[in-house]
Amino acid sequence: KNEVEQSPQNLTAQEGEFITINCSYSVGISALHWLQQHPGGGIVSLFMLSSGKKKHGRLIATINIQEKHSSLHITASHPRDSAVYICAVHQGAQKLVFGQGTRLTINP
Amino acid sequence: DTEVTQTPKHLVMGMTNKKSLKCEQHMGHRAMYWYKQKAKKPPELMFVYSYEKLSINESVPSRFSPECPNSSLLNLHLHALQPEDSALYLCASSHAPGDPEAFFGQGTRLTVV
Repeated sequence: KNEVEQSPQNLTAQEGEFITINCSYSVGISALHWLQQHPGGGIVSLFMLSSGKKKHGRLIATINIQEKHSSLHITASHPRDSAVYICAVHQGAQKLVFGQGTRLTINP
Repeated sequence: DTEVTQTPKHLVMGMTNKKSLKCEQHMGHRAMYWYKQKAKKPPELMFVYSYEKLSINESVPSRFSPECPNSSLLNLHLHALQPEDSALYLCASSHAPGDPEAFFGQGTRLTVV
């Protein structure tokens, strides 16, 4: 079992829909990242969370430390949101542990 | 400047070639990382440099040789690679070792023929 599990693995939705991607982890962490990776390859850090909730534009990320669970929400989804979304946790050492990623496709 | 810049963006090399990947940041970060990412898989950590010294080597084969000549620059020297080494190589940096906030480069897509 992976230390970081994401669901769903693949998600296809229509433009405008509300999107939720989930991440569960089984280890103690100091921070959790939500990352976005487009087909070109580069990774963009969307959020870094250690508690509570953060919002940036149409993106919202929440984390529940007690339940070891985080969610990434996208409101009013758009085709340009199509990408792979990766949850990664930082365990206090010098490394990130990555989830397998969620491939999101938003159709116009 | 909040960028991590990787060059080249694409590289095709033969199994007998020697090439290098370059990563540069000017944010004053003192921890730099190399990751390898195969298609449809998450990134895997290869090396960590802390204050220009190698602090983590995740049992990477010696045909990959990292180098950190100064606090802004990280190289990955490649020699005698195999086709299965074809992947996206990502560089990242953070302010200090153990700092969870990481900045990633755009990656170098390497093809070994």
